[in-house]
Amino acid sequence: KAGVTQTPRYLIKTRGQQVTLSCSPISGHRSVSWYQQTPGQGLQFLFEYFSETQRNKGNFPGRFSGRQFSNSRSEMNVSTLELGDSALYLCASRLSVTSAETQYFGPGTRLLVL
Amino acid sequence: AQSVTQLGSHVSVSEGALVLLRCNYSSSVPPYLFWYVQYPNQGLQLLLKYTSAATLVKGINGFEAEFKKSETSFHLTKPSAHMSDAAEYFCAVSVPTGTASKLTFGTGTRLQVTL
Repeated sequence: KAGVTQTPRYLIKTRGQQVTLSCSPISGHRSVSWYQQTPGQGLQFLFEYFSETQRNKGNFPGRFSGRQFSNSRSEMNVSTLELGDSALYLCASRLSVTSAETQYFGPGTRLLVL
Repeated sequence: AQSVTQLGSHVSVSEGALVLLRCNYSSSVPPYLFWYVQYPNQGLQLLLKYTSAATLVKGINGFEAEFKKSETSFHLTKPSAHMSDAAEYFCAVSVPTGTASKLTFGTGTRLQVTL
């Protein structure tokens, strides 16, 4: 089975712009989660979608949003980019949203905001 | 609320030596615990997970971890380090939240393996 794929892998934007990142889950997985990874804050949970509904949300401003499509693919959007949004954005998929279910991670999208 | 503490942001061992990476958790409900590894410029790869079936969990690449409820610990070990084990390791706890569940990660431990 193909793993979780994320596009693009690298992105450079300037402050004030917006960006959309894409994630395709493992076939059959209906849940997609997004995480932000930075050297200072580590791995922080952004949100999780299951069957096109947001099930969980982390402590991020409203500039960060996401959605999930009927084929389980997900996108996250960051509007009005700030320098501090520079990070590795990781997507993870799993079959369901129960605690025991393993999350499988993609390679990430590295975003640099100038 | 759940949390994870990883003692030691950097650990250095010689090739062939024992690897011990420490993880302590805090959870108000029985937790599910995970260890992930991240190689440079890559995503996270699952090493092993604890889901209450057995307290000693064996994972990939020779790693194992033991769940100790009395110590709220889930330390990761490998009897003999290999150069290819050099990476960053993350411990995570998953607990139910509303209609779903959420993974909370520790701050990570970078493992260096020297000759």
